[in-house]
Amino acid sequence: DVKVTQSSRYLVKRTGEKVFLECVQDMDHENMFWYRQDPGLGLRLIYFSYDVKMKEKGDIPEGYSVSREKKERFSLILESASTNQTSMYLCASKIPGQSNQPQHFGDGTRLSIL
Amino acid sequence: GNSVTQMEGPVTLSEEAFLTINCTYTATGYPSLFWYVQYPGEGLQLLLKATKADDKGSNKGFEATYRKETTSFHLEKGSVQVSDSAVYFCALSDDTGGFKTIFGAGTRLFVKA
Repeated sequence: DVKVTQSSRYLVKRTGEKVFLECVQDMDHENMFWYRQDPGLGLRLIYFSYDVKMKEKGDIPEGYSVSREKKERFSLILESASTNQTSMYLCASKIPGQSNQPQHFGDGTRLSIL
Repeated sequence: GNSVTQMEGPVTLSEEAFLTINCTYTATGYPSLFWYVQYPGEGLQLLLKATKADDKGSNKGFEATYRKETTSFHLEKGSVQVSDSAVYFCALSDDTGGFKTIFGAGTRLFVKA
């Protein structure tokens, strides 16, 4: 089974801090994704990466950046955390180029910015 | 662009009741369709999928049929259990959308004993 591991289940940070959320997958998937999940809004794509050192903006990239130095690891960075970034963050990976394959998700990081 | 619309929740049912969660989509290509489930405190996991018209996906007693003529992929289960309480997401993915999957807003299901 594919395993996607997010480094923290719960995280509390302060406004203005630089925050790193880490995600590791063990199936050699080229494609990786970061979403945020908010009540009533479903999943919104922040960034995705289709290979090492490659990244593309999703629907809501403002205030975020990402890093993909190794295939298995995809990091989400909040450059200067703000209270409106309090949310559940989900990482996913997928086999590339096959629309009939699902995304595989981690358990999420619930981030609170105080 | 591609989109997914699913019924708003929450949906509250008694144990052994019949479940339907409606999902409709718009897509420019020939998408694959998915239902994901999210149990409390967890990420999403694939429940079932269908990759072409008239396909039926099924898993754990849940079913959904890919209806191209009505652009729908409704989720059904004949007899729900308390353990089915979760949030259900309808989603689509196609080659014209690049690498992205489009998710519906999610429908929360509560099942009472």
